[in-house]
Parts: sequence; C-alpha cells; structure tokens
Amino acid sequence: QSALTQPPSASGSPGQSVTFSCTGTSSDIGGYNYVSWYQQHPGRAPKLLIYEVNKRPSGVPDRFSGSKSGNTASLTVSGLQADDEADYYCSSYAGSTGVFGGGTKLTVL
Amino acid sequence: QVQLQESGPGLVKTSETLSLTCTVSGGAISSYYWSWIRQPPGKGLEWIGYISYRGRTNYNPSLKSRVTISMDPSMNQFSLRLSSVTAADTAVYYCARDAGNSFWDWGQGTLVTV
Repeated sequence: QSALTQPPSASGSPGQSVTFSCTGTSSDIGGYNYVSWYQQHPGRAPKLLIYEVNKRPSGVPDRFSGSKSGNTASLTVSGLQADDEADYYCSSYAGSTGVFGGGTKLTVL
Repeated sequence: QVQLQESGPGLVKTSETLSLTCTVSGGAISSYYWSWIRQPPGKGLEWIGYISYRGRTNYNPSLKSRVTISMDPSMNQFSLRLSSVTAADTAVYYCARDAGNSFWDWGQGTLVTV
C-alpha cells in the first residue's frame, strides 16, 4: 500500500482557480469511487471538502469541486480566497484499507 | 454533527505501548465506522485503521502487527493501542468518524512523543 502522489506545492492569486492532482493506481483511485479531499490549516484538524470523488458535504462552498479520470483524482478551487491557503490532502479507499496522499501546500499570492 | 475528543499520555517510552481513547458525543458509536489517523510533525496524514459499529477491524498493513483498535459502546468510546513504539511513531494522533473511507468528523488531535 503506497501513498497517493500529490505535488508538494501550488499557488494562485486571489480570484483565480487552482487544480490539485492526486495519482494512485487501479488498486485505489482507479478501482473505486471513494476519493475524498481534505483541507488542513496549520495546527488544526483536517476538514472534509469532497467525498465520493465529487460530492460536497453540507456547508462546503461550491468553489470546491472534485473529479476523477482513471487513476488520477483532481480537486479544483475556484475564486481563490486568502483563507484557502492551507494544505490539501487526498484519500482513497484501497480495498478494505485507506490511503492518503502526501499533501499539497497551497499558497495564495 | 458528531464531536470527538482524544485522550491519553503525551509521552511514551521507546518499546512501550501507546494507548489512546476517543470519546464520542452527539452520536452513537454503534452507528458508524471509526478510524485512527496520525500525522508526524511537518509531514502528511497516515491512516492507521478502523473499527466498525459491529466491532470489525481493519488496519494499515504497515502497522498491522502492532495495532489494536477496540470499542466500548457503554462509554461511547473507541481506543487505539500501538505496541513497540519508536521515535518514528511520534505524531499527532486523530480519531475520526469514517463513512465510505471519508472522514467526516475529527477530534482536535493529540501529540504523542516517543
């Protein structure tokens, strides 16, 4: 069971859109529609943003959207705001176990 | 919304057993799946394992030989035991409500130093 692959960093200016990628294998992302995304601010617990690839929990703005193609999942944040500066993690079901990505640090310029 | 709170020693000696408890409020522990997740300082998240509402467990293969997750429905709590710890087990440990391998509610986390 290997961690999912995420780029370590990303950046964007307020109002712009940014997309994070999360690459796995056919044994995790490619095999199931159980991909989730989390936002984590420094010193805080992660917060669920997206579940089951593209569904948003109640209260999460529609600026956050998820998708999947093959073994790669993506999270898009549109209309960047200063408070979006945080770490973003993907996670996938991997056949009775779970696996996270290494995280992407988003800097809002 | 379910609230979770981790508790347990913040310092554990090398080769000993780390023990943490998660107390759940606002929901019955017998109604969901429950996971433990950890985060070494400055690093990413690692899923440790889960226990189902029926008491069925599943663990990260890399930790399986050292991990035990149990539950006490009468106290609305579930627990983590990690044996033979080393410095590599130093991390913030989170408990979370698990639904479809999505972690909906999280505790605030507790730092355990080995």
